[in-house]
Amino acid sequence: EIVLTQSPDTLSLSPGERATLSCRASQTVNNPFLTWYQQRPGQAPGLLIYGTSNRAAGVPDRFSGSGSGTDFTLTISRLEPEDFAVYYCQQYTGSPPYTFGQGTKLEIK
Amino acid sequence: EVQLLESGGGLVQPGGSLRLSCAASGFTFNNYGMSWVRQAPGKGLEWVLSISGSGGRTYCADSVKGRFAASRDNPLEMVYLQMNSLRAEDTAIYYCAKVSGNWGPAFDFWGQGTMVTVSS
Repeated sequence: EIVLTQSPDTLSLSPGERATLSCRASQTVNNPFLTWYQQRPGQAPGLLIYGTSNRAAGVPDRFSGSGSGTDFTLTISRLEPEDFAVYYCQQYTGSPPYTFGQGTKLEIK
Repeated sequence: EVQLLESGGGLVQPGGSLRLSCAASGFTFNNYGMSWVRQAPGKGLEWVLSISGSGGRTYCADSVKGRFAASRDNPLEMVYLQMNSLRAEDTAIYYCAKVSGNWGPAFDFWGQGTMVTVSS
């Protein structure tokens, strides 16, 4: 089973700043199979980025995903107040099980 | 518009059983796998169980193997999670999620979740 480790656990930034979140896998993850979700407080998770770098419908272009192999990154170019949330990466190997990273909490500094 | 609405959560004693339901709408239901993902209080996301579009195949996490089972009723556009031999560590919000294909790679729509509390 592939283990995903996200860093940092908590990221404290101010609105307008750039955020860089990391997701490292214990084994190679094929690019179509790395996904990012956003979970705002008290809400269900929502699809943010799929296939490593494709924004889901309605996701602003300040969000971008990149990476390959075992190292993947979610970047938010200029933080808006609504972006402060928890972000999870998730991988898929072609069949279940699916695994999630432990999450990165992006909080207002 | 895709909608997923879970129901059936509540308080149950250790060793007890509970059946969760998820009503789906807004997409061709039998073309997509469905999954259950849970989140313990203050914790991260954990995949629990997935069922194929036809309902003929399921996969589950080791943590629930032999205790939890999924089923679906395609004409009714419903998916179910039968949970038996519940333990305190099963306490969580349970989310129903649509899979972007039959098995993946992503969960592209989520319900609002239903809370399951296992406690005496």
